[in-house]
Amino acid sequence: DTAVSQTPKYLVTQMGNDKSIKCEQNLGHDTMYWYKQDSKKFLKIMFSYNNKELIINETVPNRFSPKSPDKAHLNLHINSLELGDSAVYFCASSQANYYEQYFGPGTRLTVT
Amino acid sequence: RKEVEQDPGPFNVPEGATVAFNCTYSNSASQSFFWYRQDCRKEPKLLMSVYSSGNEDGRFTAQLNRASQYISLLIRDSKLSDSATYLCVVNSGYSTLTFGKGTMLLVSP
Repeated sequence: DTAVSQTPKYLVTQMGNDKSIKCEQNLGHDTMYWYKQDSKKFLKIMFSYNNKELIINETVPNRFSPKSPDKAHLNLHINSLELGDSAVYFCASSQANYYEQYFGPGTRLTVT
Repeated sequence: RKEVEQDPGPFNVPEGATVAFNCTYSNSASQSFFWYRQDCRKEPKLLMSVYSSGNEDGRFTAQLNRASQYISLLIRDSKLSDSATYLCVVNSGYSTLTFGKGTMLLVSP
């Protein structure tokens, strides 16, 4: 049983397109996250979300938006994709803020 | 000072060696501390939480020094399978965790 799953695993698309990445967790956690890991391997928080609060990293362009249909899902929508968006995107979840996080397998996004 | 700073790598060690990773953090109000490992092209996985009194899990020992804002990870009797990038993780005080850039460990036969 996969605790945190993401789809798709790989995503290749052209500049200007709009795409979504889906994330689901079956751990019963209250908080979910999106991270971006760039070519230099630095893991950077993009969003933290629970059913009460969305915390956005101020450096994230507003082309990126998280959408949560329910507590177990947090999808990431990206509009007008740019070359610099190419990276690996990880979804994660935790029981609550400050607790350890569990990561999905990642989505490797390539923008051409 | 960066929020979470780790030793630059990579560390190249032979099997059986003992290796130590160091990490410093800038936010004195931080409450939670962890070590994660990340294998090549894989997701980060929790290795261990770090408690104030220090804690051990098999060959791995983690220590926290709040006064110096310093965290360490000691790996004894290194195995080939320990080769990975080790990430120091600290709660930033803003409801999220902050990851260090990681230190790569290469264990050779």
